[in-house]
Amino acid sequence: EPEVTQTPSHQVTQMGQEVILRCVPISNHLYFYWYRQILGQKVEFLVSFYNNEISEKSEIFDDQFSVERPDGSNFTLKIRSTKLEDSAMYFCASRDRSPLHFGNGTRLTVT
Amino acid sequence: GESVGLHLPTLSVQEGDNSIINCAYSNSASDYFIWYKQESGKGPQFIIDIRSNMDKRQGQRVTVLLNKTVKHLSLQIAATQPGDSAVYFCAENIKNYGQNFVFGPGTRLSVLP
Repeated sequence: EPEVTQTPSHQVTQMGQEVILRCVPISNHLYFYWYRQILGQKVEFLVSFYNNEISEKSEIFDDQFSVERPDGSNFTLKIRSTKLEDSAMYFCASRDRSPLHFGNGTRLTVT
Repeated sequence: GESVGLHLPTLSVQEGDNSIINCAYSNSASDYFIWYKQESGKGPQFIIDIRSNMDKRQGQRVTVLLNKTVKHLSLQIAATQPGDSAVYFCAENIKNYGQNFVFGPGTRLSVLP
């Protein structure tokens, strides 16, 4: 069964550094998403992406965040200057005419 | 305010019993609902979905019930097994395509031997 894959599985960075989280969505899917989950809490929407542009974003997704689909397969989330409170699991998801399919996430730890 | 994750509601059931996990959704305009299972260290895994033109849908060992009048969703798991132990989230979607899904706070299901 096709899967959403995310790399790295764990990223440790220092406060103020830039990080890029990478995702390969399921190949025939057209809608792409980033969600985050602070330890032990619920899954929170960050941004959705369709037709090479952001279709919706939450209040969390401020100017420090950006997304890109640099080629036909990858979908990336960049955090320009990380803060301690950015520490969380970041999940990529994709869909077509279907439920969201999630990857196993990248655990981001900001020290 | 936001609930603290460590105080996640927990449902404990005996192995072999049926489980019912409940979810109250927020928006009467939501027209598509999904139940996800999340095991430790993994991403949410799709279990079953239902659209607002239905009030019941069955899968393998799982049933989802939708009550639009009171904005309530439930997940029933028959003959609960140890592998069912996880956190279960409901998610609602207002528009069918390209819009975000809003997740509920989650319920931890613990299956006792």
